[in-house]
Amino acid sequence: GAVVSQHPSRVICKSGTSVKIECRSLDFQATTMFWYRQFPKKSLMLMATSNEGSKATYEQGVEKDKFLINHASLTLSTLTVTSAHPEDSSFYICSARHNTDTQYFGPGTRLTVL
Amino acid sequence: KNEVEQSPQNLTAQEGEFITINCSYSVGISALHWLQQHPGGGIVSLFMLSSGKKKHGRLIATINIQEKHSSLHITASHPRDSAVYICAPLAGGTYKYIFGTGTRLKVLA
Repeated sequence: GAVVSQHPSRVICKSGTSVKIECRSLDFQATTMFWYRQFPKKSLMLMATSNEGSKATYEQGVEKDKFLINHASLTLSTLTVTSAHPEDSSFYICSARHNTDTQYFGPGTRLTVL
Repeated sequence: KNEVEQSPQNLTAQEGEFITINCSYSVGISALHWLQQHPGGGIVSLFMLSSGKKKHGRLIATINIQEKHSSLHITASHPRDSAVYICAPLAGGTYKYIFGTGTRLKVLA
């Protein structure tokens, strides 16, 4: 099946710094990528939908200035957590839409903000 | 009431047992995804189906669109099957998943 990668897999940073997470579709072009956040023992929560070449669409309650999303190419989307705070510590997962209904998930990035 | 209900929420089985995880949803969907999440967090897509039945190795997934119900079966379960299994219907007319809370499966040797 199609492969989606995320980098880094784990990151620890200090409060106030910014962290960039990359999501790549390795063997297909993804016009749409999705960013999710998962709290411990909870379901995935959609944060935003990212379309190549256009601004991301954020879900209600997600701060677009805090979670910057860039989808510069058909194989790469980035999520930047700006001015990170301990409450931003979470598991961030991306997915990439391959065709009409198929989405492939990345392995996730565990962010810890000290 | 949640739009997606999974049962059971937790399941412990002995190696070799046949396992069934159920998913019921209340919204119209275009497809449904079964996902597996291992303790490390990574998510693996198991099946995407919009009708009938699919089989891959020891895993079988079925869906009944009229009854808004899907099941995931694991035959001859193994400790490596221990994971959280998530039902994720794709809301009709959108590309957005509605995620179930997951079924935490533990298979004992």
